[in-house]
Amino acid sequence: GAGVSQSPSNKVTEKGKDVELRCDPISGHTALYWYRQRLGQGLEFLIYFQGNSAPDKSGLPSDRFSAERTGESVSTLTIQRTQQEDSAVYLCASSFPRASYNEQFFGPGTRLTVL
Amino acid sequence: AQTVTQSQPEMSVQEAETVTLSCTYDTSENNYYLFWYKQPPSRQMILVIRQEAYKQQNATENRFSVNFQKAAKSFSLKISDSQLGDTAMYFCAFGAGYALNFGKGTSLLVTP
Repeated sequence: GAGVSQSPSNKVTEKGKDVELRCDPISGHTALYWYRQRLGQGLEFLIYFQGNSAPDKSGLPSDRFSAERTGESVSTLTIQRTQQEDSAVYLCASSFPRASYNEQFFGPGTRLTVL
Repeated sequence: AQTVTQSQPEMSVQEAETVTLSCTYDTSENNYYLFWYKQPPSRQMILVIRQEAYKQQNATENRFSVNFQKAAKSFSLKISDSQLGDTAMYFCAFGAGYALNFGKGTSLLVTP
């Protein structure tokens, strides 16, 4: 079937606006992850979902960041009152339940630019 | 906390030659997995190779192989017979739970 998809591919917003980023995981993958990749950096873990519950939100950088997931399907990452330091590529990945013991399949990411 | 260090920000290799990318990590875990991911300009992260820490045998996938030294906490990637399509960012990653910890990456350029 199809791989992980993310939308939009690119998003330009003004400082202070809210944005929503969407991730559609591979069908049957119960685990879903969000990562942030700043320019010239590696990936930074944000949040992990198992089904629609998020046992680990420790990577969310501030309370302006939140995420939810509908069942074992779509997830949205919301950033409220965006700041320029939020500019980055936001990557979503999905896997079968046993997380790092199984390959995480990544989407193409959403490039967020905050002006 | 686990940290992953890639000490080579950029590397270059000629087509058909062999290149080795370095990665070291720090952890107190005994059971974990190590990964090399490739990220071409399309931004798509692609798994290149995976190594289970409990396996002594080094993983191999076609032209890609690793040198896993558990005691030294070292996990290098060797690319043999380099091809132009290997040009990309390469990230080393560590996984002991569910999240992966990534290094900052090595930009590899394969030249004709």
